[in-house]
Amino acid sequence: NAGVMQNPRHLVRRRGQEARLRCSPMKGHSHVYWYRQLPEEGLKFMVYLQKENIIDESGMPKERFSAEFPKEGPSILRIQQVVRGDSAAYFCASSPTLGHGAYEQYFGPGTRLTVT
Amino acid sequence: GQQLNQSPQSMFIQEGEDVSMNCTSSSIFNTWLWYKQEPGEGPVLLIALYKAGELTSNGRLTAQFGITRKDSFLNISASIPSDVGIYFCAGQLRNNDMRFGAGTRLTVKP
Repeated sequence: NAGVMQNPRHLVRRRGQEARLRCSPMKGHSHVYWYRQLPEEGLKFMVYLQKENIIDESGMPKERFSAEFPKEGPSILRIQQVVRGDSAAYFCASSPTLGHGAYEQYFGPGTRLTVT
Repeated sequence: GQQLNQSPQSMFIQEGEDVSMNCTSSSIFNTWLWYKQEPGEGPVLLIALYKAGELTSNGRLTAQFGITRKDSFLNISASIPSDVGIYFCAGQLRNNDMRFGAGTRLTVKP
């Protein structure tokens, strides 16, 4: 059973460009979460999605950031007009729908975004 | 938002020593989880705790869900060099709303 997959692992963008980060949850998981991590810091929640629905986006900046989890295909975190302060590691996690395991989030390897 | 206070921030120990770290909060959590993160990788789930007072082991790791539901600790016994990494606690307030501590950076000297 493959784990959470993220790509690309590393992404370099110039200021003003768009960054698209992809996440494929574990098989059978229908909940996806995005987190951001700055160096030497913990993980900060950004957004929680189920298929075709944004459940909680309270941690996501109101401008330039958007997320989706379509019926088919991976979840996408999109950052428009990137700025240097967007440089960070972005992690995706997934969890199953029902039962105790629904509270356990499993993380992907992350995408390290560098804005030059 | 609800804050998790994780301590210590870092630990430098000798191989073979036991390690203890903890997380506290002013909020009550329904679930506590402990993760380990190694450089360049995502966090890996170590232990999940679901009931107040619950004590759970995973090999040399033992974690407990505090009786007040506001704290949790993680112990590592007989540390080895591969235990090096950053350990994060995470508490869930309600379904899928999870908050992370700032992490405990563990260094093990052979």
